[in-house]
Amino acid sequence: DAGVTQSPTHLIKTRGQQVTLRCSPISGHKSVSWYQQVLGQGPQFIFQYYEKEERGRGNFPDRFSARQFPNYSSELNVNALLLGDSALYLCASSSGTGASNEQFFGPGTRLTVL
Amino acid sequence: GDSVTQMEGPVTLSEEAFLTINCTYTATGYPSLFWYVQYPGEGLQLLLKATKADDKGSNKGFEATYRKETTSFHLEKGSVQVSDSAVYFCALRNQAGTALIFGKGTTLSVSS
Repeated sequence: DAGVTQSPTHLIKTRGQQVTLRCSPISGHKSVSWYQQVLGQGPQFIFQYYEKEERGRGNFPDRFSARQFPNYSSELNVNALLLGDSALYLCASSSGTGASNEQFFGPGTRLTVL
Repeated sequence: GDSVTQMEGPVTLSEEAFLTINCTYTATGYPSLFWYVQYPGEGLQLLLKATKADDKGSNKGFEATYRKETTSFHLEKGSVQVSDSAVYFCALRNQAGTALIFGKGTTLSVSS
């Protein structure tokens, strides 16, 4: 079975632009979470979605938004890009939202903002 | 708020040496604890986990014990291999179950 897939692999944008990142969860998984990993740091939680509803949000500005589709895939949108948004964006899927549900991570999308 | 503190790296060892990476946490209640590993150019992989006090997680020769009294979850391996070279992250699951809270990561480099 395929794991979590993310697209694109790499992306280069300029300040002020908008970007959309995509994630397809493992088949049968209904929950998707997004994380931002700045170089040299641990991942920081951005959002969790379950059954198309937002279940959790980290400490990120409103420029960050996300949604989940009926097929459980998800998009992360970032508006008005800043240099500090340059990072590896990780998507993770799980079958549910409870603490016992393991999160499986995708390879990430590397975003560079110039 | 919830947080994880792990020892700064990089950690450089010779093959077959003993490994310890320290991890302590601050959290409400009794969170589940995890170690993830990130190999160069790859995403995060779950290495091991423990869901309650005194649980020992183990995988691929790595072990960690959930110590409530010291709020710690130190990672150990008796004999490291070159293939263990990677970045290791300690993490906890928040009380709501919605997020993983990660430490900053420890880079391990093993030479033959």
